[in-house]
Amino acid sequence: ETGVTQSPTHLIKTRGQQVTLRCSSQSGHNTVSWYQQALGQGPQFIFQYYREEENGRGNFPPRFSGLQFPNYSSELNVNALELDDSALYLCASRPQTQVNEQFFGPGTRLTVL
Amino acid sequence: GDSVTQMEGPVTLSEEAFLTINCTYTATGYPSLFWYVQYPGEGLQLLLKATKADDKGSNKGFEATYRKETTSFHLEKGSVQVSDSAVYFCALSGVYSGGGADGLTFGKGTHLIIQP
Repeated sequence: ETGVTQSPTHLIKTRGQQVTLRCSSQSGHNTVSWYQQALGQGPQFIFQYYREEENGRGNFPPRFSGLQFPNYSSELNVNALELDDSALYLCASRPQTQVNEQFFGPGTRLTVL
Repeated sequence: GDSVTQMEGPVTLSEEAFLTINCTYTATGYPSLFWYVQYPGEGLQLLLKATKADDKGSNKGFEATYRKETTSFHLEKGSVQVSDSAVYFCALSGVYSGGGADGLTFGKGTHLIIQP
């Protein structure tokens, strides 16, 4: 069984640019969430997707957006990058019926210069 | 809103010592509680969980009991090993409302260092 995978592993961007991060859910998992983990902090919930629609969002501005595809893979898009967007971005997937069993990917380390 | 507070680190112990990492929470209703572990360069792994009051989660020698009266979920292990060195996160899953999702709320993490 393949776990949650994310790409790329590392990414460097400059302020004002746009970035797309990708996540492949674990097999059979139709719900995906994204988290931002700043250095030395715990992860913070960005949003969740189910059936290709956003069905929950944390305290993040609209320049953070996402997509979920029919094969349950997902993208996180961030526009107008700011220095504070530098963080580890984690994707987590789960079956929709198992709210207490999230499986995390290894993350994408984004550096904004 | 929901919040999780856990003891600041780093926590440095000798091998075979007893471990306690404190975690308290604030939430409406009856959240589920979790401990996640993050090894260097890796994502989060679920260590254990408890979904209702007085439940005890356990895994790999680690234990934590859901204490509603003290709103706590302290992590314990009787004898730590060097391989337990990692960052540990306490988290809660709030009550879902209207079919939406609020995601997991995490503490800031506790860096555990076990010395041989």
